Amino acid sequence: AQKITQTQPGMFVQEKEAVTLDCTYDTSDQSYGLFWYKQPSSGEMIFLIYQGSYDEQNATEGRYSLNFQKARKSANLVISASQLGDSAMYFCAMREDNYGQNFVFGPGTRLSVLP
Amino acid sequence: DSGVTQTPKHLITATGQRVTLRCSPRSGDLSVYWYQQSLDQGLQFLIQYYNGEERAKGNILERFSAQQFPDLHSELNLSSLELGDSALYFCASSNYNEQFFGPGTRLTVL
Repeated sequence: AQKITQTQPGMFVQEKEAVTLDCTYDTSDQSYGLFWYKQPSSGEMIFLIYQGSYDEQNATEGRYSLNFQKARKSANLVISASQLGDSAMYFCAMREDNYGQNFVFGPGTRLSVLP
Repeated sequence: DSGVTQTPKHLITATGQRVTLRCSPRSGDLSVYWYQQSLDQGLQFLIQYYNGEERAKGNILERFSAQQFPDLHSELNLSSLELGDSALYFCASSNYNEQFFGPGTRLTVL
């Protein structure tokens, strides 16, 4: 079964607008972490934001915020004031905290910011 | 610059061969992760090491093996290479709440 679902293969947003990228996850663990990464066309993977399963506040990092709804098992990424440089693939990932740390990535959403 | 280094950047080899990919984590990070990114499989977690010990295993083939050395650098060994092993291989290091990726090694198997 898919542990991380990203239902939007592609998204478009107008420059300076906000955009929400969806992510739902599936785990029976109580302790886990949720991550978002950006992968521009150059190929590098850039860490954006982290949310722990016990964190009560939604994580924020500059223009990125994570809308964490634990009961719904969703961890949507909100990018405010989109910039042309935000055009990239975005991956949601989950770290399951057992003895080790198994990471599972979603299929990604390709975001295109329009001028 | 994430602080994670990977060598080589590109590798071209033939089927049946063996290659070694190398990773140096960020200073202070004890965990190293290896990932494979291919067009048809997406980003797949392969294996995690923590301070020299294997901690978690993902979709790693038996032809692949890894280790982490006392200086915390890690190597991923890929043997009996097949065409389908062509992919971008990432190493990442973590201090738990963050995970930083290296620039990747692009492996092409001809």
